[in-house]
Amino acid sequence: DQQVKQNSPSLSVQEGRISILNCDYTNSMFDYFLWYKKYPAEGPTFLISISSIKDKNEDGRFTVFLNKSAKHLSLHIVPSQPGDSAVYFCAASATFGNEKLTFGTGTRLTIIP
Amino acid sequence: GAVVSQHPSWVICKSGTSVKIECRSLDFQATTMFWYRQFPKQSLMLMATSNEGSKATYEQGVEKDKFLINHASLTLSTLTVTSAHPEDSSFYICSARDLLGGEWDTQYFGPGTRLTVL
Repeated sequence: DQQVKQNSPSLSVQEGRISILNCDYTNSMFDYFLWYKKYPAEGPTFLISISSIKDKNEDGRFTVFLNKSAKHLSLHIVPSQPGDSAVYFCAASATFGNEKLTFGTGTRLTIIP
Repeated sequence: GAVVSQHPSWVICKSGTSVKIECRSLDFQATTMFWYRQFPKQSLMLMATSNEGSKATYEQGVEKDKFLINHASLTLSTLTVTSAHPEDSSFYICSARDLLGGEWDTQYFGPGTRLTVL
């Protein structure tokens, strides 16, 4: 049972344009969401997170939007840069000391120069 | 930033042998480390949570006698795959939580270990 889903395995975006990566979840107990970026042969790197009490969190070029009613979140990267080419994982957790993360299958983002 | 290392990065072994994978936090102390497994084109699946000085907590469906976890110090956790079989071939990745960290961005991931069992 895949509780966190990233339905697009890959995405190509022109440099300078906006990249939008999507993530859906099914477990209503999830209330904290994270995005990780992963380069080949490296571990995932934390990018940005959002708590369920918010619907938007922004950090520089990265913005995460959360739609709780739709159980959907998205990561916007603008403007996209070649260095953003990587695999992006969405992850979710329930709080109260539960640090366990449930990951999506990842989306490979390719930025075209 | 904080670095987590894993050793080895790649290992090939014969069926029936045991393989030990090390996860180290290089510049911070980690009371909690997590072990994940990732099959091709699938997500990272949490296998177990490793706490320093205590027994690991395994996720449902993960055999604790097959995947032995030891967290002997605040900077080292080991995963031993005992009597490995071809179906254990996978990418194993650990993460470590900073002792002093209170937020999610203080969970750092290692680069992973690719295990191939012949």
